[in-house]
Amino acid sequence: NAGVMQNPRHLVRRRGQEARLRCSPMKGHSHVYWYRQLPEEGLKFMVYLQKENIIDESGMPKERFSAEFPKEGPSILRIQQVVRGDSAAYFCASSPTSGGGRTGELFFGEGSRLTVL
Amino acid sequence: AQSVTQLDSQVPVFEEAPVELRCNYSSSVSVYLFWYVQYPNQGLQLLLKYLSGSTLVKGINGFEAEFNKSQTSFHLRKPSVHISDTAEYFCAVSEGYGGATNKLIFGTGTLLAVQP
Repeated sequence: NAGVMQNPRHLVRRRGQEARLRCSPMKGHSHVYWYRQLPEEGLKFMVYLQKENIIDESGMPKERFSAEFPKEGPSILRIQQVVRGDSAAYFCASSPTSGGGRTGELFFGEGSRLTVL
Repeated sequence: AQSVTQLDSQVPVFEEAPVELRCNYSSSVSVYLFWYVQYPNQGLQLLLKYLSGSTLVKGINGFEAEFNKSQTSFHLRKPSVHISDTAEYFCAVSEGYGGATNKLIFGTGTLLAVQP
């Protein structure tokens, strides 16, 4: 039973390039969350998506960052025109439900580590 | 808005000694509380969670935590640590029963450094 799969595990980009990070949730999970972990800091919420819908993007930077979770395929976090400050570990998590009856737990992938040169 | 405070950024401890990692939260609504562990260059693994019921929660690897509503705390404890427990530990909070999402708010983490 595969867990949350993220790729690539490591990504190196030069300033101004685009970074695309992919996340396949656990089987049967339709809710995806993206978090960013900066060096020496905790995890900061970025965005919460369900299939074809962005539910909560309160943690997303206003510019250059976007996320999607299409009907088919993985969720994608896209960072355009990367800058050195974007260097971080980006974690995806999934859950089977939301609202009433949920158990609250998020299942995390192993992260994608972005380095911007 | 919810928030989590982990006052100790690093806790050094000798092997086989007891340890407590502190976590305090603030919230205007009922909460679910979690402790996750992160080993180097890996993702987060759930140690334990409090949803309701008994305030003493037991988790994996011999860890336990106690929910104290009056002190808004959820401290993590282990009576005897091993070298293999060396990792970063994160406390997290989400909306409790009736909440709309599983969105977690994390503390800044505590590095547990177990020394031989």
